[in-house]
Amino acid sequence: QKEVEQNSGPLSVPEGAIASLNCTYSDRVSQSFFWYRQYSGKSPELIMSIYSNGDKEDGRFTAQLNKASQYVSLLIRDSQPSDSATYLCAVNSAGGTSYGKLTFGQGTILTVHP
Amino acid sequence: SAVISQKPSRDICQRGTSLTIQCQVDSQVTMMFWYRQQPGQSLTLIATANQGSEATYESGFVIDKFPISRPNLTFSTLTVSNMSPEDSSIYLCSVEWSDGGQTQYFGPGTRLLVL
Repeated sequence: QKEVEQNSGPLSVPEGAIASLNCTYSDRVSQSFFWYRQYSGKSPELIMSIYSNGDKEDGRFTAQLNKASQYVSLLIRDSQPSDSATYLCAVNSAGGTSYGKLTFGQGTILTVHP
Repeated sequence: SAVISQKPSRDICQRGTSLTIQCQVDSQVTMMFWYRQQPGQSLTLIATANQGSEATYESGFVIDKFPISRPNLTFSTLTVSNMSPEDSSIYLCSVEWSDGGQTQYFGPGTRLLVL
């Protein structure tokens, strides 16, 4: 069983639509959750971090966390072609000798078409 | 957030040789990490490098293959030793930034091709 799993892609949405990216994780003690965006040939760029249950909004991006269901999602409103990238979900399961260790999902490729 | 640089940005190497990748941060950080991203894959943590102590390696990665140095709070190196074509990947360093959470920021990466 994968520790961090993302909804299979690729995901294609029209410009202006809402893109929904989902992620589940297996370690119940996980405390910190992150969404990174990675353009082709570039390194991951932090989009959102979330630590508490509920929603966190930043501009067109909303992260949602449900620790009971071990589920985290990212909504992108008014999607733009510039949002086309691979989105990586990352979970931090601090503890022991792996303090600060990030475990990444396999990524979801998002394409926003005009 | 920190500004992170890596050298080299890319390299083409022959099998059996070694390459040392440098990671420089513009601020002092406690935690630095090295990741590998194989073609078409997600990121996998190689090791955690804290200043003043031995690096902590993840399962499947060993010090003889990926020796790491962390001489101070702004610098680290990762060496890929005795390379084979299977080592062709992007190697990324990251730092944990003290912003109230455990946020990691990534350097630009080193693209390695082993022939």
